[in-house]
Amino acid sequence: GAGVSQSPSNKVTEKGKDVELRCDPISGHTALYWYRQSLGQGLEFLIYFQGNSAPDKSGLPSDRFSAERTGGSVSTLTIQRTQQEDSAVYLCASSLPQGYGYTFGSGTRLTVV
Amino acid sequence: KQEVTQIPAALSVPEGENLVLNCSFTDSAIYNLQWFRQDPGKGLTSLLLIQSSQREQTSGRLNASLDKSSGRSTLYIAASQPGDSATYLCAGEGAQKLVFGQGTRLTINP
Repeated sequence: GAGVSQSPSNKVTEKGKDVELRCDPISGHTALYWYRQSLGQGLEFLIYFQGNSAPDKSGLPSDRFSAERTGGSVSTLTIQRTQQEDSAVYLCASSLPQGYGYTFGSGTRLTVV
Repeated sequence: KQEVTQIPAALSVPEGENLVLNCSFTDSAIYNLQWFRQDPGKGLTSLLLIQSSQREQTSGRLNASLDKSSGRSTLYIAASQPGDSATYLCAGEGAQKLVFGQGTRLTINP
């Protein structure tokens, strides 16, 4: 597609439920990133994929968070047993190899009630 | 560990003024530096990318510079307009990820 697509754009879930967030990167972009932006906070790195592998998972805040990428394209971020502190905007970005800049999607606004 | 700082945190100026937003980073091994704009409730829009071998980039009324030796980047906005009101984020790329500053919230008053 022309840009990075994320779905859903908004998600309200009850505390304790699992959620899946989807990212469809720009075709041909080998690198994919997930970031989180909490209210009034900066962007926090979560995980990076190169192809289907995730060489850097250092930003995942707990073992309730996981992500996968299949076919070198679509990625899903899964949050299990959601907590209120998980409420944030989750942003996905993709890029060509280092040096060509990142393109971000519009994000998924997650609200845990 | 790369840290990125943006000054000021907020800026309010009248329409038509030229202004400068500042960004500093701690690790000079930064690869690229990218400036983004974020409107309320929206994602990030890339404004300018300064690649490793470059010192500045220009797009319309925007000009960004990069000085790795001093660990600084500036974003210059000429003849500001109310539509420029947004949060501006700078981000340094190193070790296969972008590290973001906290942003400068810019308000242009008509």
